[in-house]
Parts: sequence; structure tokens; C-alpha cells
Amino acid sequence: DAGVTQSPTHLIKTRGQQVTLRCSPKSGHDTVSWYQQALGQGPQFIFQYYEEEERQRGNFPDRFSGHQFPNYSSELNVNALLLGDSALYLCASRSWRKNTEAFFGQGTRLTVV
Amino acid sequence: SQQGEEDPQALSIQEGENATMNCSYKTSINNLQWYRQNSGRGLVHLILIRSNEREKHSGRLRVTLDTSKKSSSLLITASRAADTASYFCATDASGAGSYQLTFGKGTKLSVIP
Repeated sequence: DAGVTQSPTHLIKTRGQQVTLRCSPKSGHDTVSWYQQALGQGPQFIFQYYEEEERQRGNFPDRFSGHQFPNYSSELNVNALLLGDSALYLCASRSWRKNTEAFFGQGTRLTVV
Repeated sequence: SQQGEEDPQALSIQEGENATMNCSYKTSINNLQWYRQNSGRGLVHLILIRSNEREKHSGRLRVTLDTSKKSSSLLITASRAADTASYFCATDASGAGSYQLTFGKGTKLSVIP
């Protein structure tokens, strides 16, 4: 049973560019959340998707957007990249109806130069 | 914003000793979870304790929760070099049907062989 998978593992982008990160949830999970983790900090909640809709959003600008597909996989898009967007981006999945733990992927390390 | 604050920020112990990490938070919660992160990669779920529970065990891990003091502790007994990692507490304060984890900055644990 595959866990949460994220791609790519590492990414280098230039300031002003756009980036798309991808996440496949753990089998049986229908809810995907995205987190940003800056170096030396704890993860910060970006947003959550369920039934292809954004259900909750953290304190992130509109440059951060997402999408969830019918197979529950998800994408995180960041436009007009800033140097401060350099971070580890983590995807987490869970079942909407079960109040249990979230399972995290290995993350995508984004470096903006 | 960070809800939880782990204490200490860094901890160095000898293999075989016990390690205790503390977490304080600010708002009412549904549950509190502890995660481990190795070398800035993905988060591994360790244990979930619900707001109506006071203590929980899992293998060498013991977690306590004091909702009156808004604090939790994670005890790792008989530590091993492989326990070297960063440990985060995360609180789930959202209502039914939503799920947003708020993380602290973490405790960096070093276990010396």
C-alpha cells in the first residue's frame, strides 16, 4: 500500500516563475492538505481540498492556488515566485469522515533563485 | 502563525537515556499529535491523543495531555541513535468536517551513541 507520494523531490525555479507540485494521497484517503515548511520552522497550513473544492485556507496570498482531481490527487500552484517561497512543501492526506491522523509525503524542496 | 511551542528547542542525550519534550498551545483543541521529521524530509506520525485523554502509550513513547494547562509532553524511553530527529507537536482545533494542523517549531533531538 503506497503512502502519500509527492513529485518532484527537488525543484529550482527563478524568481517570477510559476511552479506546480503534485501529490497522490494514501489509498483510501479523500482529503488532501498542503503545508509550507521554511528552514528551522514548523509546517504552516496552506489549504485543504475535499471533493475537489478548497475547504479551508491558511494565511497565504492568492499566488498560492490548488486543485483536486476526481481520483483525489492534488496539485499546488505558486505564481510569481518570490525568494521567500523557498521551502519544503508537504502534502498530507486523511479520510474526511474519520478524525484520525494525517499521513505526510516526503515533501518537495523548492528553491527560488 | 504557530500555535504550539516545543521546549526545549534542542536536546542532546546519550543512547539509553530518556528524552522528554514539552509542548504548549494556546486554544482549545480536538486532539494533539506528535510527529517526527528526519533531516528535513517528510513527517512521520507518532501518536495522537484526544482532548478527553490524559495519557497514551505506543512502544517506547509516552504522551501526556493536560488541557487545563494547555500542555503536552512526549517521553521517549531508552533512546537510540535512530531516534535522532526533530519532533513536532501539532494541534487540531478545527470543528467537524475540517482538519487544520497547527505546528510548533519543534525540538531537535540528538542521541549520541
